[in-house]
Amino acid sequence: KAGVTQTPRYLIKTRGQQVTLSCSPISGHRSVSWYQQTPGQGLQFLFEYFSETQRNKGNFPGRFSGRQFSNSRSEMNVSTLELGDSALYLCASSSGGGMNTEAFFGQGTRLTVV
Amino acid sequence: AQSVTQLGSHVSVSEGALVLLRCNYSSSVPPYLFWYVQYPNQGLQLLLKYTSAATLVKGINGFEAEFKKSETSFHLTKPSAHMSDAAEYFCAVTYQAGTALIFGKGTTLSVSS
Repeated sequence: KAGVTQTPRYLIKTRGQQVTLSCSPISGHRSVSWYQQTPGQGLQFLFEYFSETQRNKGNFPGRFSGRQFSNSRSEMNVSTLELGDSALYLCASSSGGGMNTEAFFGQGTRLTVV
Repeated sequence: AQSVTQLGSHVSVSEGALVLLRCNYSSSVPPYLFWYVQYPNQGLQLLLKYTSAATLVKGINGFEAEFKKSETSFHLTKPSAHMSDAAEYFCAVTYQAGTALIFGKGTTLSVSS
């Protein structure tokens, strides 16, 4: 069974640009969550999508957005990039069955903003 | 609001020694608690999870954790550390309905020979 796939693995962008990251969940999983990981703030929840609907949202500015497609693949977009957006962005998928459901993580996309 | 606190950002042990990583949770309702491990340049892997079926939870790679409601704790232990256990460990709790996770700040485990 293939795992969670995130593309690209590495990305360098210039301040002010926008970026789109992609996540393909495990086959059959309907929930996709996104997290930002930085040395200073640790792992922070961005948002969760379940069956194409945003189910939960973390405390991030509106520059961070996401969506989920009918095949459960998800994208997150960051507009008007700032230096502080440099981070490892992790995607996790789960069956979405409940709060005790295991989340499976991808290897992440390392975004560097210069 | 749900939250978890991991005491100690860095723990160092010798190979063969007991590993103890601490996690306390803050919750007004019975929580769902998880321990994840992250190796360098990798995503997170689930070690174990507490779902109220048993207070002592056994996970992968010889790790286990005990849920203590009176202490609001869910500490992770392993009787004998291996060099391969060196990694960063995260305690997490589920956020509201759904599967979104709130993580602690993480504890880096170093194992020396």
